[in-house]
Amino acid sequence: EIVLTQSPVTLSLSPGERATLSCRASQSVGSYLAWYQQKPGQAPRLLIYDSSNRATGIPARFSGSGSGTDFTLTINSLEPEDFAVYYCQQRSDWPPITFGQGTRLEIK
Amino acid sequence: QVQLVESGGGLAKPGGSLRLSCAASGFSFSDYYMSWIRQAPGKGLEWVSYISASGNTIYYAGSVKGRFSISRDNAKNSMLLQLNSLRVEDTAVYFCARDKEPKRSFQTFDYWGQGTVVTVSS
Repeated sequence: EIVLTQSPVTLSLSPGERATLSCRASQSVGSYLAWYQQKPGQAPRLLIYDSSNRATGIPARFSGSGSGTDFTLTINSLEPEDFAVYYCQQRSDWPPITFGQGTRLEIK
Repeated sequence: QVQLVESGGGLAKPGGSLRLSCAASGFSFSDYYMSWIRQAPGKGLEWVSYISASGNTIYYAGSVKGRFSISRDNAKNSMLLQLNSLRVEDTAVYFCARDKEPKRSFQTFDYWGQGTVVTVSS
């Protein structure tokens, strides 16, 4: 089973700043990595698929990069609505489909 | 627009059963692979089960294999998850989710329902 480790666990930033979130896989997942955003009481929302492709309707301030075992989600110029929990998910070697444990992005 | 609506959650005793439903609308349900994904209180996301568009191919997480059963009825645009031999650790919000790409397995989820709460407690 591929284990995804996200860092940091919590990230405290102010609106307007840039957020950099990391996801590391226990073995190569190629480019088969997605990112989701989840707000309290809501379902997750797909942001990025296959490492760097923005999902439909996702603002350009969200970008993804990486391949192999190291991936990054970057959010430029944070908006108030961006403060949430972010999860990565791999589809390279499954089952099982696995998620990271999440990074909480909070307002500083 | 695409809608996924889960139902069937509730309180069950350890060893008991529940049947969850996911009603789909706004898209050609029979073209899409579907999944169940759960989230324990205050925890992260855990993939539970996956079913092909036709229903012929099914996968389960190890933690639920042999206890849970996924199925779908394309004529009724619905997916089911039968939960048997429930354990306290099955307590979670259960989401149904659609695969992003039609007619193929993509294992990335572009639409999610709002979830149904399952609580297993004596």
